[in-house]
Amino acid sequence: AQSVAQPEDQVNVAEGNPLTVKCTYSVSGNPYLFWYVQYPNRGLQFLLKYITGDNLVKGSYGFEAEFNKSQTSFHLKKPSALVSDSALYFCAVRATDTGFQKLVFGTGTRLLVSP
Amino acid sequence: DSGVTQTPKHLITATGQRVTLRCSPRSGDLSVYWYQQSLDQGLQFLIQYYNGEERAKGNILERFSAQQFPDLHSELNLSSLELGDSALYFCASSVVGGANTGELFFGEGSRLTVL
Repeated sequence: AQSVAQPEDQVNVAEGNPLTVKCTYSVSGNPYLFWYVQYPNRGLQFLLKYITGDNLVKGSYGFEAEFNKSQTSFHLKKPSALVSDSALYFCAVRATDTGFQKLVFGTGTRLLVSP
Repeated sequence: DSGVTQTPKHLITATGQRVTLRCSPRSGDLSVYWYQQSLDQGLQFLIQYYNGEERAKGNILERFSAQQFPDLHSELNLSSLELGDSALYFCASSVVGGANTGELFFGEGSRLTVL
């Protein structure tokens, strides 16, 4: 079964420093991978996705993610963190069930950016 | 604003009761997904409907049921409520269920508190 793992419950980083939020995946076949962000009291918002092609995917709000097939990872990155980036981040993989796709989410990583 | 509308935003009820959560997908989206987010279980996929038909089922309890109506809005019915059902329930929609690349648009959720 397709799954993703987010090994860190929380990541702390100072504003202006680079950030990385880790995700590893387990899929059969080619992975379709996603990152979503959840701000307090809000729904999840799509950040970026990897379907095929370039291993470095650029998304919203200056975020990017690096797909690494040999390490089965899809880490989320940003060169310079902002306090406003503080939120809950979810990695997800598309899973196929009876021909229809659904997203399977990781447990989430809370990012805390300090001023 | 994702374009997905969920009502009510907050709901407080007692054990043993029944509630209905409502979701209006983005205009033109045929697929509706329900997810449950709780502190200990993370984001769990419950069920998916596509153009009125159930297409995928996840960790949905037998006490829970859902449907999608001809106008494409969906309802999630939760009955015989238990304390452990307290959670944030999200609805998400996407353009189509089978051929899309997985991007979902989430509503802001319905927070259910069972006392």
